[in-house]
Amino acid sequence: GESVGLHLPTLSVQEGDNSIINCAYSNSASDYFIWYKQESGKGPQFIIDIRSNMDKRQGQRVTVLLNKTVKHLSLQIAATQPGDSAVYFCAENVNAGGTSYGKLTFGQGTILTVHP
Amino acid sequence: EPEVTQTPSHQVTQMGQEVILRCVPISNHLYFYWYRQILGQKVEFLVSFYNNEISEKSEIFDDQFSVERPDGSNFTLKIRSTKLEDSAMYFCASSAVGGRNQPQHFGDGTRLSIL
Repeated sequence: GESVGLHLPTLSVQEGDNSIINCAYSNSASDYFIWYKQESGKGPQFIIDIRSNMDKRQGQRVTVLLNKTVKHLSLQIAATQPGDSAVYFCAENVNAGGTSYGKLTFGQGTILTVHP
Repeated sequence: EPEVTQTPSHQVTQMGQEVILRCVPISNHLYFYWYRQILGQKVEFLVSFYNNEISEKSEIFDDQFSVERPDGSNFTLKIRSTKLEDSAMYFCASSAVGGRNQPQHFGDGTRLSIL
């Protein structure tokens, strides 16, 4: 049969602008979240993570915000550069007690395009 | 920086044939994973592996799939009798002691094409 591809959300920004990529998650039992960057032909590259006991975490040029009330995660990239162009995925890990060993559930991804 | 390496980068196989995808996880990691990504779709979990046994597997990971850690460095995914719908990118990942709530680091994948 024919595969149906996802129509990914896209975000287009100018170099130097700040970018905000959003992600909604569905499982209130998720307690660990990761943002990944995926460039063409490459595997997902770890950017930043956050645990559910936090609502904000900062890295180098990136900030992740977690709103557990509405089950929403965002990734902010400061001073976006052309090299930031990629697909960005959020991933969640559900706390299923002792039976869970780190299975990640990925979101659909957002295509970020940075124009020079 | 240590990284996960996968071979081959591209594997073309006839339907019904067996295929083995290979991975070398980061050396001090103890938790290992396989995921797949069908073209244009989400990354999907297949299986996790710890202490020489499967910890968790998805409904995709049926009897045609198996994993093995044959030595201290390699981690393999075998598909016994491939189907057309097995065509996808297959990613290996590993994480450090603690498994849960530790970042998983991914290789660059093997593109599996079933003819």
